[in-house]
Amino acid sequence: DTAVSQTPKYLVTQMGNDKSIKCEQNLGHDTMYWYKQDSKKFLKIMFSYNNKELIINETVPNRFSPKSPDKAHLNLHINSLELGDSAVYFCASSHRQVNQPQHFGDGTRLSIL
Amino acid sequence: DQQVKQNSPSLSVQEGRISILNCDYTNSMFDYFLWYKKYPAEGPTFLISISSIKDKNEDGRFTVFLNKSAKHLSLHIVPSQPGDSAVYFCAGDTGRRALTFGSGTRLQVQP
Repeated sequence: DTAVSQTPKYLVTQMGNDKSIKCEQNLGHDTMYWYKQDSKKFLKIMFSYNNKELIINETVPNRFSPKSPDKAHLNLHINSLELGDSAVYFCASSHRQVNQPQHFGDGTRLSIL
Repeated sequence: DQQVKQNSPSLSVQEGRISILNCDYTNSMFDYFLWYKKYPAEGPTFLISISSIKDKNEDGRFTVFLNKSAKHLSLHIVPSQPGDSAVYFCAGDTGRRALTFGSGTRLQVQP
């Protein structure tokens, strides 16, 4: 009965590869997000989607491409991985209305060799 | 530019006592604030929130206070329990639905 689930939990890969992280929510939310937690532990917004439409794109390199096949899923595809992409990536979801909390998945730890 | 600051990286309290976690912000456009709790290898878990039109919100052992003039909020946990030991993040939202997080405070509750 996991609310926001991400796969895989760990991802180790070589520089230059392309990889995807999947996210699914069963909370009936209409908005989904990707955050990146960097080495200093700050969580920073990358993207948000509302009903499959991109509404926030926070100066993320275009090697990162979110894909939302339906409002319960928001996948993150990363091309040509670089060492600086190593981080923990968190998916979240919420209702679109104001003052609604976001609910997070358990994160995907991406390590670039 | 850190818009949300948690200046205490860690806090240790005795079980049963009050834990007070502090957060300062610089962005006047924040109109909604949230506290999250995070255990290792898990995602942040929503704890409590407060709208900028209020100065206090309470939920069980957790109370959040907002001082808009000082751009300061705090989370009080009473009484503290060992299971409360975790990293606590505060976050602000301008209405864009893009949360801006602080760097977190690690709370250790000693039995």
